[in-house]
Amino acid sequence: EVQLVESGGGLIQPGGSLRLSCAASAFTVSSNCMTWVRQAPGQGLECVSIIYSDGRTYYADSVKGRFTISRDNSKNALYLQINSLGVEDTAVYYCARGQLSGASYFDLWGRGTLVTVSS
Amino acid sequence: DIQMTQSPSTLSASLGDRVTITCRASQSISSWLAWYQQKVGKVPKLLIYKASTLESGVPSRFSGSGSGTEFTLTISSLQPDDFATYYCQQYHTYSTFGQGTKLEIK
Repeated sequence: EVQLVESGGGLIQPGGSLRLSCAASAFTVSSNCMTWVRQAPGQGLECVSIIYSDGRTYYADSVKGRFTISRDNSKNALYLQINSLGVEDTAVYYCARGQLSGASYFDLWGRGTLVTVSS
Repeated sequence: DIQMTQSPSTLSASLGDRVTITCRASQSISSWLAWYQQKVGKVPKLLIYKASTLESGVPSRFSGSGSGTEFTLTISSLQPDDFATYYCQQYHTYSTFGQGTKLEIK
């Protein structure tokens, strides 16, 4: 079955770090554009980072310098390293697959992992 | 970055109504626009890509149009399952979502 499964969320204190993981099944992560999209409670969708099939990466201004997207081709997985967490980073984090190798729309989404930043 | 602005933010409509949601880009994005539906507590679902191409399995009452900077999502006859929040997304340069339009029952 084609699917994405996120993990790694939880309750973290301000200033802390987390690594989110996204395991892909039945397709190859490195062949597609992959993204992390977050949604704060009651708010809209924000694309925070993208990794294209050629390895180029993109970060939203709100996370630049704090978040790092990566992938492990041998594990067919996507990651998001999140540092210097602030309360504004509290959100459900979804990984999603782009249908294209470059800039893309997202046709497959995971169920998300909740990151709560609180003291 | 390209900004996406949806209108209205909230839309109240009745079953059977024809509704239209508008999405405007801060600069031309050609036809690189997608629409998503999200129900409360659920994952976003792709409806339309390349401004007007219906994703497989999406009912034909959904349609999209536009190019350049102005786009619309139309639902021809509202069904109970359609009450949700709708987002546009540009993928001309990186990716940006609109702020969402909540479609409510009147």
